[in-house]
Amino acid sequence: NAGVMQNPRHLVRRRGQEARLRCSPMKGHSHVYWYRQLPEEGLKFMVYLQKENIIDESGMPKERFSAEFPKEGPSILRIQQVVRGDSAAYFCASSPGTGKDQPQHFGDGTRLSIL
Amino acid sequence: AQRVTQPEKLLSVFKGAPVELKCNYSYSGSPELFWYVQYSRQRLQLLLRHISRESIKGFTADLNKGETSFHLKKPFAQEEDSAMYYCAPSFMNYGGSQGNLIFGKGTKLSVKP
Repeated sequence: NAGVMQNPRHLVRRRGQEARLRCSPMKGHSHVYWYRQLPEEGLKFMVYLQKENIIDESGMPKERFSAEFPKEGPSILRIQQVVRGDSAAYFCASSPGTGKDQPQHFGDGTRLSIL
Repeated sequence: AQRVTQPEKLLSVFKGAPVELKCNYSYSGSPELFWYVQYSRQRLQLLLRHISRESIKGFTADLNKGETSFHLKKPFAQEEDSAMYYCAPSFMNYGGSQGNLIFGKGTKLSVKP
């Protein structure tokens, strides 16, 4: 089991472009979480998805950000018309199911840099 | 609002000394509590969780509901314990399922020889 896989590891975009970040959960995990980490800050929750459903998007910025977890394929975090403030590390985590005691397993993250 | 505080940004101790990484949370319910660790050039990984009442790599964490704290402790620190440590309560949400983790800003533990 390769664990949570995120790609790309590093992504550079110019202002106004789109950024697509991918996350493949661990085998057997159907719950995916996205977090953002700004410099000198802790990880901040963005969105929680199950297959084909967004369960909690309370941490997502209201504009330009969207997430999906299709029936087939990885989860995608999409940022449209990127701005300098979007530069951060974006982490994906997965868990096998619901329940307070289900730990989340993290990927290596994607470092997004906006020029 | 749900919030977690790790007051120390950096904690430096000598090998063999006791170590305590502080964590306080604010929440009206009963969160599940986790400590995550990130060693140099490695991904964030689960260290321990309150529900398991376990000791991992010599670390333990006691939940104090009165003080809403979940401090991480180890009696004798080792050099290989040097890492970033994050306290992360998890709150119940939609449908009673586990919700997102609320991370503190982290404490960098440096264990000197």
